[in-house]
Amino acid sequence: NAGVTQTPKFQVLKTGQSMTLQCAQDMNHNSMYWYRQDPGMGLRLIYYSASEGTTDKGEVPNGYNVSRLNKREFSLRLESAAPSQTSVYFCASFDSGGAETQYFGPGTRLLVL
Amino acid sequence: GDSVTQMEGPVTLSEEAFLTINCTYTATGYPSLFWYVQYPGEGLQLLLKATKADDKGSNKGFEATYRKETTSFHLEKGSVQVSDSAVYFCALSDQSGYSTLTFGKGTMLLVSP
Repeated sequence: NAGVTQTPKFQVLKTGQSMTLQCAQDMNHNSMYWYRQDPGMGLRLIYYSASEGTTDKGEVPNGYNVSRLNKREFSLRLESAAPSQTSVYFCASFDSGGAETQYFGPGTRLLVL
Repeated sequence: GDSVTQMEGPVTLSEEAFLTINCTYTATGYPSLFWYVQYPGEGLQLLLKATKADDKGSNKGFEATYRKETTSFHLEKGSVQVSDSAVYFCALSDQSGYSTLTFGKGTMLLVSP
């Protein structure tokens, strides 16, 4: 099992450009999440998907959209990137049947100039 | 809303010293509590958890006890190693059924030989 995978690992964008961060999990988990991590702020929830076909806003959803493509994949889209979106983005999935904990991907480091 | 407060870092210790990282929380109901660890350049990994009052979570020599009366979940280790150098996050899981996590800001631990 690869667990939770994220692509790309690192990306540089110019202000106004768009991009999609990809996330996939092979653990058959129903719930998936996107967080951003900023220095001194911990992790903040952007969006989550409790199950395939549903998505909900978290604490900091402005400027982002998400798609739960299928049970495995949950993508995060920046339509018009801003310097304030410079951050490290983590995807996670939730194991409700066993450990009842979230498993995190390795992160995508995004720099918006 | 829910919130988690943990001590500011960095915490700098010599190898074999005793570690305490304080964590307190505010939440309605009875959340589950977690400690996650992030090694440099990696995603978050679950270190330990507790799901009800007076539960003690433990893993790799680390321990934390869920104290409902003081709304605390302090992380302790009797003898730290250089390999424990990392950022530690305290978190709570809400009771909504969607298992979203609220994180503290993280505490960096630096252990020197």
